[in-house]
Amino acid sequence: SAVISQKPSRDICQRGTSLTIQCQVDSQVTMMFWYRQQPGQSLTLIATANQGSEATYESGFVIDKFPISRPNLTFSTLTVSNMSPEDSSIYLCSVVRGGGEAFFGQGTRLTVV
Amino acid sequence: GENVEQHPSTLSVQEGDSAVIKCTYSDSASNYFPWYKQELGKRPQLIIDIRSNVGEKKDQRIAVTLNKTAKHFSLHITETQPEDSAVYFCAASTGNTGFQKLVFGTGTRLLVSP
Repeated sequence: SAVISQKPSRDICQRGTSLTIQCQVDSQVTMMFWYRQQPGQSLTLIATANQGSEATYESGFVIDKFPISRPNLTFSTLTVSNMSPEDSSIYLCSVVRGGGEAFFGQGTRLTVV
Repeated sequence: GENVEQHPSTLSVQEGDSAVIKCTYSDSASNYFPWYKQELGKRPQLIIDIRSNVGEKKDQRIAVTLNKTAKHFSLHITETQPEDSAVYFCAASTGNTGFQKLVFGTGTRLLVSP
């Protein structure tokens, strides 16, 4: 299994501001994944973060809005920039171990007011 | 890219009944199909998975079947219990081990009534 520590667990932010979410893994991983889960919806991949290179973003997500850092093999951050109420969601980081099983952080519940 | 459809969106059963959730995928290159259970306010947790070289996998009360030709896979829960109530997500992936880019289905809210 994998132990993933994600923080903050929740936050209420003013529109126009930015929030940085941190994800710490208990051992080194090549790739870390960031997902968004809008209220009552499924999980949508935002981007894949590979250490030492720029993150790869999925269609509909851009670096200016969701900048990602990956300074080492156990840590990553996702920033939600210039927030609007539509950004209110749960954001989850994820890593893959062993035979391909994906583990998730506990999520960050973001409310933009 | 990959597209995963999931049905039904909600499923209500009586305790002890069986529950079946179905998913279809579009990319024939997909080779890994996990199922996740998400309880309210918690992170998704893997409950069972299957790879494309296997047709069926079982773990106690849960089982998954895969039909590669038809590109669909199903989750079967027998002898349901109230604690099985949660949202279940299927997913599909074409990645190699260590790079599993998962595409999730829309989710099924399962309610098991005592």
